[in-house]
Amino acid sequence: AQTVTQSQPEMSVQEAETVTLSCTYDTSESNYYLFWYKQPPSRQMILVIRQEAYKQQNATENRFSVNFQKAAKSFSLKISDSQLGDTAMYFCAFMKKEDDMRFGAGTRLTVKP
Amino acid sequence: EAQVTQNPRYLITVTGKKLTVTCSQNMNHEYMSWYRQDPGLGLRQIYYSMNVEVTDKGDVPEGYKVSRKEKRNFPLILESPSPNQTSLYFCASSLSGRDGYTFGSGTRLTVV
Repeated sequence: AQTVTQSQPEMSVQEAETVTLSCTYDTSESNYYLFWYKQPPSRQMILVIRQEAYKQQNATENRFSVNFQKAAKSFSLKISDSQLGDTAMYFCAFMKKEDDMRFGAGTRLTVKP
Repeated sequence: EAQVTQNPRYLITVTGKKLTVTCSQNMNHEYMSWYRQDPGLGLRQIYYSMNVEVTDKGDVPEGYKVSRKEKRNFPLILESPSPNQTSLYFCASSLSGRDGYTFGSGTRLTVV
């Protein structure tokens, strides 16, 4: 079974600085999808960014970007110019099949003023 | 507005009293899933459905039932809730899976 590991239970960053959240996964598949979800205190799950494994180019969405290292099975999330509203729990997710999305344990990020 | 609607948002119940958490999506999505979220464990899949009348077990199906009689609805049923089912539950749906899932707002369930 595929597993997703987020090794940083908690992180903090100063407002306007950059922070990187780590995620590794274990799979023998060559084609799959990776996601980062944000869960603010409202507990709503919000899709931040997605990456298709067969695409070499790293995905970017405004201040959010990923560093996808397929050989290392690593999928880190970089948040630039951190804002107070980025304070949330962040979940990394792996999907091999459309009905099977697996999540890491999450990283709690606090942005300090 | 495209959304996944879960009800109720909060629920406190007693051991053994059957309950249903409803989930409805208005996006004509094929795929629907139920997850439970527990501290330190992330989200774990309970059941999923690929289409009407097609459901299958996820990683933690014990103590839960689902049905998919209509495309838009995917209720989660706890026939005899126990305290270890106290958790935060999410319903999610997707058109193709690969674009990611849209989540409901969650149901905080407490079983005493």
